Amino acid sequence: AQTVTQSQPEMSVQEAETVTLSCTYDTSESDYYLFWYKQPPSRQMILVIRQEAYKQQNATENRFSVNFQKAAKSFSLKISDSQLGDAAMYFCAYRSSVRALVWLNSNYQLIWGAGTKLIIKP
Amino acid sequence: DVKVTQSSRYLVKRTGEKVFLECVQDMDHENMFWYRQDPGLGLRLIYFSYDVKMKEKGDIPEGYSVSREKKERFSLILESASTNQTSMYLCASGATHNIAQSTDTQYFGPGTRLTVL
Repeated sequence: AQTVTQSQPEMSVQEAETVTLSCTYDTSESDYYLFWYKQPPSRQMILVIRQEAYKQQNATENRFSVNFQKAAKSFSLKISDSQLGDAAMYFCAYRSSVRALVWLNSNYQLIWGAGTKLIIKP
Repeated sequence: DVKVTQSSRYLVKRTGEKVFLECVQDMDHENMFWYRQDPGLGLRLIYFSYDVKMKEKGDIPEGYSVSREKKERFSLILESASTNQTSMYLCASGATHNIAQSTDTQYFGPGTRLTVL
């Protein structure tokens, strides 16, 4: 079974600086998707960035980028120019590709890490 | 924008009560999910549904049931609430555009913080 590990329960960074959140995963599959979700305090969980395993290029969304190391099974999130609004819980998640699978297979599920609380210091 | 709403933000119930948590999405998504979120454990899937009247157990279905009578609505039921079901409950929905290339994002509701006394 796949697992996702976020080894940093909490991280803090000075406003305007760069921070990297780590995520490792374990899988025997070669085709899958990885996600970073953000959950601000008392607000809804939203998708930050998504990476498809078959793509070598690291995904980027504005100030957010990932360092995807497939061989090492690592998927870290880099936040540049940190802003106060970036303060949140960040969750890493894994999902199998469903290319050849019947829908009912539990591989459709997202497998979640425990989360990292990011604190932004003004 | 996708909107996922949950019936309550905060709920306090007594042990043994039957509890209904409702979730509604407005984007005609096929798939809907119920998670519980506990500190240090991330999100754990309770049940999901891929179509009306269809449901699949997630990782922790014990003590819960679900109902999906309409595509836009997915209900989570605690038949007899217990104190260990005190948690944050998150509903999510997502589309399956193409089963061979599905990369759907899950869209989340605001959550219901349930306290069972």
